[in-house]
Amino acid sequence: GQQLNQSPQSMFIQEGEDVSMNCTSSSIFNTWLWYKQDPGEGPVLLIALYKAGELTSNGRLTAQFGITRKDSFLNISASIPSDVGIYFCAGHPRSGGYQKVTFGTGTKLQVIP
Amino acid sequence: DAGVIQSPRHEVTEMGQEVTLRCKPISGHNSLFWYRQTMMRGLELLIYFNNNVPIDDSGMPEDRFSAKMPNASFSTLKIQPSEPRDSAVYFCASSLAREGYTFGSGTRLTVV
Repeated sequence: GQQLNQSPQSMFIQEGEDVSMNCTSSSIFNTWLWYKQDPGEGPVLLIALYKAGELTSNGRLTAQFGITRKDSFLNISASIPSDVGIYFCAGHPRSGGYQKVTFGTGTKLQVIP
Repeated sequence: DAGVIQSPRHEVTEMGQEVTLRCKPISGHNSLFWYRQTMMRGLELLIYFNNNVPIDDSGMPEDRFSAKMPNASFSTLKIQPSEPRDSAVYFCASSLAREGYTFGSGTRLTVV
């Protein structure tokens, strides 16, 4: 089945730095979704992207739907301690309709105050 | 909107016992998903329902696992008998059409 390769697996950054993470697939996706999971909680949807090339922001977060429809990236600007968590990319593969979402393996972000 | 509600939040049980996890999806959502999360395997889709009908249960590990959705506002995931390797966080999520999922807070299951 489809797999999403997410990188990096983990990262340590200094508070105030910008962060970039990405997600790639071998097949085309119809939507891209970015989630954040805090410890002890379920993942929470941050940004949803529906069109190739789409660039969407949510506060300090910006995500883009790649032109090839096989990748997406998430940027966090001016990181703060509460950005700590695991970030998952996810999406609806073109072949799977809109019911079943494929998840990436996650990027664990640590912010050093 | 109370979101997706899961119960219990934590469950500790002895090997061989039956475990039932419960989920109330967001009202109006027509799809419901059960996921399992472990350090080794990440988020694994176990089963999902569309309009209360099971669509894909290929992720259910084995016959010890079963899931039901008797109506649009309630679903259960049952493990019988439970084994230590079933220890994980189990998430329920619901969605409507192409929107992203809304996850519950999860049930942390420990089988000793």
